[in-house]
Amino acid sequence: AQTVTQSQPEMSVQEAETVTLSCTYDTSESDYYLFWYKQPPSRQMILVIRQEAYKQQNATENRFSVNFQKAAKSFSLKISDSQLGDAAMYFCAYRSRGTSYDKVIFGPGTSLSVIP
Amino acid sequence: DSGVTQTPKHLITATGQRVTLRCSPRSGDLSVYWYQQSLDQGLQFLIQYYNGEERAKGNILERFSAQQFPDLHSELNLSSLELGDSALYFCASSVGSGGYEQYFGPGTRLTVT
Repeated sequence: AQTVTQSQPEMSVQEAETVTLSCTYDTSESDYYLFWYKQPPSRQMILVIRQEAYKQQNATENRFSVNFQKAAKSFSLKISDSQLGDAAMYFCAYRSRGTSYDKVIFGPGTSLSVIP
Repeated sequence: DSGVTQTPKHLITATGQRVTLRCSPRSGDLSVYWYQQSLDQGLQFLIQYYNGEERAKGNILERFSAQQFPDLHSELNLSSLELGDSALYFCASSVGSGGYEQYFGPGTRLTVT
């Protein structure tokens, strides 16, 4: 069974600085998707970025980028120019590709604080 | 706004009772997923429906059941409620069973007293 680990329960960053959130996963599959979701205090789950395992190029969405290391099974999220609105819980998630269902496995989350 | 709606936003009920949570997926999405988020167990996948049929089951208790109707909205039924069922219940939808992103609704906060 696949597992997702986020080893940093809490992180903090100064406004305008850069922070990296870590995620590792365990799978025997070769093809899958990885996601970062953001959950602000409103509790809404918001997709931040996704990565397809067969793509070597790291995904980027504005100030958010990932460092995908397939061999190491690592999928970190870098947030550049941090803003107060980035303060939230961040979840790393895994989904198999090519299966008949779309179960998503979430990590335990990292709580990010942004210091003005 | 993800386009996924969930009702009610909050629900307070007593142990032993039964409740129904409702979800309307984004327009055009055929798949609906239910998740439970509790403090001690994080975000757990419960069940998935695709175009009216059950596709996958996760950590769903036998006291819980779900269905997806012809208009594609879905309901999650929770019965014989226990204190430990207090949680945030999310519904998510995606285009298909092989679709990419799952778009989450705002959640229903269930409190069992």
